[in-house]
Amino acid sequence: QVQLVQSGAEVKKPGASVRVSCTASGYTFTAYYIHWVRQAPGQGLEWVGWVNPRTGTTTYAQRFQGRVILTRDESLTTAYLELGRLTSDDTAVFFCARGPLTYYDTPYDSFDVWGQGTMITASS
Amino acid sequence: EIVLTQSPGTLSLSPGERATLFCRASQTGSSIYFAWYQQKPGQAPRLLIYGASTRATGTPDRFRGSGSGTDFTLTISRLEPEDFAVYYCQQYGSSPLTFGGGTRVEIK
Repeated sequence: QVQLVQSGAEVKKPGASVRVSCTASGYTFTAYYIHWVRQAPGQGLEWVGWVNPRTGTTTYAQRFQGRVILTRDESLTTAYLELGRLTSDDTAVFFCARGPLTYYDTPYDSFDVWGQGTMITASS
Repeated sequence: EIVLTQSPGTLSLSPGERATLFCRASQTGSSIYFAWYQQKPGQAPRLLIYGASTRATGTPDRFRGSGSGTDFTLTISRLEPEDFAVYYCQQYGSSPLTFGGGTRVEIK
């Protein structure tokens, strides 16, 4: 079945970086955009950005610009989120989610498949 | 950035009752780029409605999305026990994608 499986929880010190992986299966990895969404404890959903698995092109939400890098490895059908200069405000669950077909003229769509989420804790 | 405001924050209802959730956008966008999600504790969100009114695969027909312009509504005709959760609206017509703050539907 179509699924996205994320890496496990991480605990990092403030100022450190963290990398989260999202492995796709059950569909052609390069055919769909991958988006990332953040959810702080007890809070709502916040869009982080997207990566085009076919080309590697990325776009980031302004508040994450300069701190986040989205990449992918086609051979592993895996997308990655790397977030640097962590602060306690980054303590959250990060989700990857499948967007539209990469052959569409827009990277924006509803998200029909989600990863299970990865809890990132930034604490000294 | 399009800001989405959901109301009410919490809805306390009994199984079998009708639930009406609202989402207002700060500016008009195309209604075809509007979605609703359901999230239960410890789980990822689940897509319920896209294009403002189209049910996603597996969404029961007791869920109905409607609206246009700046005002959108999610109606659950008769609440089942599994419907008690948090619901988020989302617009994906312009960047950045944004979500509403959520409405919690709880058992009365």
